[in-house]
Amino acid sequence: AQTVTQSQPEMSVQEAETVTLSCTYDTSENNYYLFWYKQPPSRQMILVIRQEAYKQQNATENRFSVNFQKAAKSFSLKISDSQLGDTAMYFCAFMKRNNNDMRFGAGTRLTVKP
Amino acid sequence: NAGVTQTPKFRVLKTGQSMTLLCAQDMNHEYMYWYRQDPGMGLRLIHYSVGEGTTAKGEVPDGYNVSRLKKQNFLLGLESAAPSQTSVYFCASSYRGVSTNEKLFFGSGTQLSVL
Repeated sequence: AQTVTQSQPEMSVQEAETVTLSCTYDTSENNYYLFWYKQPPSRQMILVIRQEAYKQQNATENRFSVNFQKAAKSFSLKISDSQLGDTAMYFCAFMKRNNNDMRFGAGTRLTVKP
Repeated sequence: NAGVTQTPKFRVLKTGQSMTLLCAQDMNHEYMYWYRQDPGMGLRLIHYSVGEGTTAKGEVPDGYNVSRLKKQNFLLGLESAAPSQTSVYFCASSYRGVSTNEKLFFGSGTQLSVL
């Protein structure tokens, strides 16, 4: 079974600074996808970024980027120039290719302080 | 464009009661999913559907049933509610499966409490 571990239950960062959220996963698969989702107080789940395991290049989306280390099974999220609107729960998720069962970590609560 | 709509948003049940959660999407999506979210845990997949008339089990299907009689609707049923089913339930949809580079569109959740 695949497991996803987020070892930081809570984190905080000053506005405009950079923060990195950690995620590790355990799998014997070679083809899979990794995701970061944001859940603000509204509870709406929002896709932040996605990485295909077969791609060596790290995914980026504006201020959000990942550090994907396949051998180490690590998938961290870096948020640059943090904004107050980034305050939310962040979930790391894993999914095998050609599968619909996405497995989520327990989440990291991020607070951006003014 | 409403996206994914879940009803009701809140519900309180007594142990043993039954209820149905409704998920409706207006994006002509083939795939629909039901997740539950418990404190300190991420979302866990209950059941999903890859098209009208089809359903499949996810990670935690026990105690739930689903139906997809119409493409736009995905119903989650609890036949005999138990306190362990107290959770926030999320519905999601996608045009094709997530593994095809499609993203999931989520509803805003249903808070269910079973006393």
